[in-house]
Amino acid sequence: AQTVTQSQPEMSVQEAETVTLSCTYDTSESDYYLFWYKQPPSRQMILVIRQEAYKQQNATENRFSVNFQKAAKSFSLKISDSQLGDAAMYFCAYRSDNYGGSQGNLIFGKGTKLSVKP
Amino acid sequence: ETGVTQTPRHLVMGMTNKKSLKCEQHLGHNAMYWYKQSAKKPLELMFVYNFKEQTENNSVPSRFSPECPNSSHLFLHLHTLQPEDSALYLCASSSELGPFGPQHFGDGTRLSIL
Repeated sequence: AQTVTQSQPEMSVQEAETVTLSCTYDTSESDYYLFWYKQPPSRQMILVIRQEAYKQQNATENRFSVNFQKAAKSFSLKISDSQLGDAAMYFCAYRSDNYGGSQGNLIFGKGTKLSVKP
Repeated sequence: ETGVTQTPRHLVMGMTNKKSLKCEQHLGHNAMYWYKQSAKKPLELMFVYNFKEQTENNSVPSRFSPECPNSSHLFLHLHTLQPEDSALYLCASSSELGPFGPQHFGDGTRLSIL
């Protein structure tokens, strides 16, 4: 069974600085998808960025980028020029590309709470 | 406007009560999901519906009963719940079942069982 581990329960960053959130996963599959979700106090889960495992190029969305290391099964999120609105819980998630398996099952980590200091 | 609306936002109920959670999406999506988010635990998938048909039940106890009358609405009927069922229940939707999973989430219903 696949697992997702976020080893940092809490992180803090100064406004305008850069922070990296860690995520590792365990799988025997070669094709899969990885995601970072943000959950602010409003509780809505918001997709931040996603990565297809077959792509070697790291995904980037504005100030958010990932460092995807497939061999190491690592998928970290880098937030550049941190803003106060980035303060939230961040969840790493894995999804199998096995269409015979669960169609909806994103496997989530326990999350990292990010604080942004002004 | 999130596109996925959940009501109520908060719900407190006794173990013998019967209540329902409602989810509505205005995105024209065909797939809808229920997730449970407990404190200190990862999100857990409960149910998946595609074109009103249930495609997945992730070993959820029968005291949780989903209903999907159409592609825009999803309900979770609750009865005889246990204290451990207290959690945030999140609804999500996606245009279709596919590799990217749920794309939009609602704000959730915070459920407390007395």
